[in-house]
Amino acid sequence: AQKITQTQPGMFVQEKEAVTLDCTYDTSDPSYGLFWYKQPSSGEMIFLIYQGSYDQQNATEGRYSLNFQKARKSANLVISASQLGDSAMYFCAMREVFSGGGADGLTFGKGTHLIIQP
Amino acid sequence: DGGITQSPKYLFRKEGQNVTLSCEQNLNHDAMYWYRQDPGQGLRLIYYSQIVNDFQKGDIAEGYSVSREKKESFPLTVTSAQKNPTAFYLCASSNSGLTKNIQYFGAGTRLSVL
Repeated sequence: AQKITQTQPGMFVQEKEAVTLDCTYDTSDPSYGLFWYKQPSSGEMIFLIYQGSYDQQNATEGRYSLNFQKARKSANLVISASQLGDSAMYFCAMREVFSGGGADGLTFGKGTHLIIQP
Repeated sequence: DGGITQSPKYLFRKEGQNVTLSCEQNLNHDAMYWYRQDPGQGLRLIYYSQIVNDFQKGDIAEGYSVSREKKESFPLTVTSAQKNPTAFYLCASSNSGLTKNIQYFGAGTRLSVL
């Protein structure tokens, strides 16, 4: 079973609209972290936002917010007032503190290709 | 500027040849990682190192080798045993040990087989 599922392979959104990118995860680890990264066509991965499993409030970073619904194992990224420069691949990722076997690596979803239209 | 430098940006490998991808960081991070990305896919962990002179296999380590002789450097060798090496390779670093273990990435190396 996939640990990170991103069900939207691609999305088209009008500039200035809000965007929600879906992410569901699967873990039995009580301690984990959830991350969102942006990958422009240049290829590098840009960190956007982090949510810890014990965090009481949803994370926010500028125009980015994370809609964390722990019981549903959902960690959707919300981008407010989208801009043309937001066009990119977006990846959801998870780090399991205990189940990962001590590994520090992240488990990534397959990504969502977001295209912002003028 | 602090960051992670990967070189070269593009690399071509001949059959039976080993090639080495460079990754250098000046962020003073303890941990470093190598990921592989295939078209239309997410990243998969190849190797990681939490401290100098120590490294661990990730999910897809077969056909790859690494070394960590210096804190700043974590080169990846793609050996001839890796039968399908064509991919985009990304190096990352972080301060390890906490749940909020934000990994910062380099610009990547695209490897192709001639």
